[in-house]
Amino acid sequence: AQTVTQSQPEMSVQEAETVTLSCTYDTSESDYYLFWYKQPPSRQMILVIRQEAYKQQNATENRFSVNFQKAAKSFSLKISDSQLGDAAMYFCAYRSVVFGNEKLTFGTGTRLTIIP
Amino acid sequence: GAVVSQHPSRVICKSGTSVKIECRSLDFQATTMFWYRQFPKKSLMLMATSNEGSKATYEQGVEKDKFLINHASLTLSTLTVTSAHPEDSSFYICSATTTGHSGNTIYFGEGSWLTVV
Repeated sequence: AQTVTQSQPEMSVQEAETVTLSCTYDTSESDYYLFWYKQPPSRQMILVIRQEAYKQQNATENRFSVNFQKAAKSFSLKISDSQLGDAAMYFCAYRSVVFGNEKLTFGTGTRLTIIP
Repeated sequence: GAVVSQHPSRVICKSGTSVKIECRSLDFQATTMFWYRQFPKKSLMLMATSNEGSKATYEQGVEKDKFLINHASLTLSTLTVTSAHPEDSSFYICSATTTGHSGNTIYFGEGSWLTVV
């Protein structure tokens, strides 16, 4: 079974600064997807960014980018130019490509606080 | 706009009664739906996976007789909490996707707060 670990329960960053959230995972599969989801106080799950394991290039979405290290099974999220609206819980998630096992496995989350 | 709608967003029920939560995909055919439970300040815990027209697959430790999941159509899955007790109070979230292509996006509903009094 796959596991996802987020070792930082809480992080804080000054507005306009850069912050990196850590995520490691364990799997025996060679192909899979990794995601970062944001959950604001509304509890709505919002997809921030996703990475296909077969792609070596790190995914980027505007101010959000990842550092995907497949051999180390590490998948960190970098948020640049942090904004007040970035404050939320962030969950790292793993998804298998095996048919019938396409559920998302989540980490325990990191609560990000933005300091004005 | 939302592509997965969950209803009700909040529900209060009396202990011992049953309550149903609906999850609808609005503009796509959801062959697979997932039901999660989230405790305060905790992560999402997968309860079960349901495929249209077949029985749900429950995760270990989830009581299938207590949490009834029905996925009778390609746009609707329901979670019924039977004989609810205060410890069932929680936030329940559904998500939906189309199987056969793991690259397909998983869409989440807005979630439902259940309070059992």
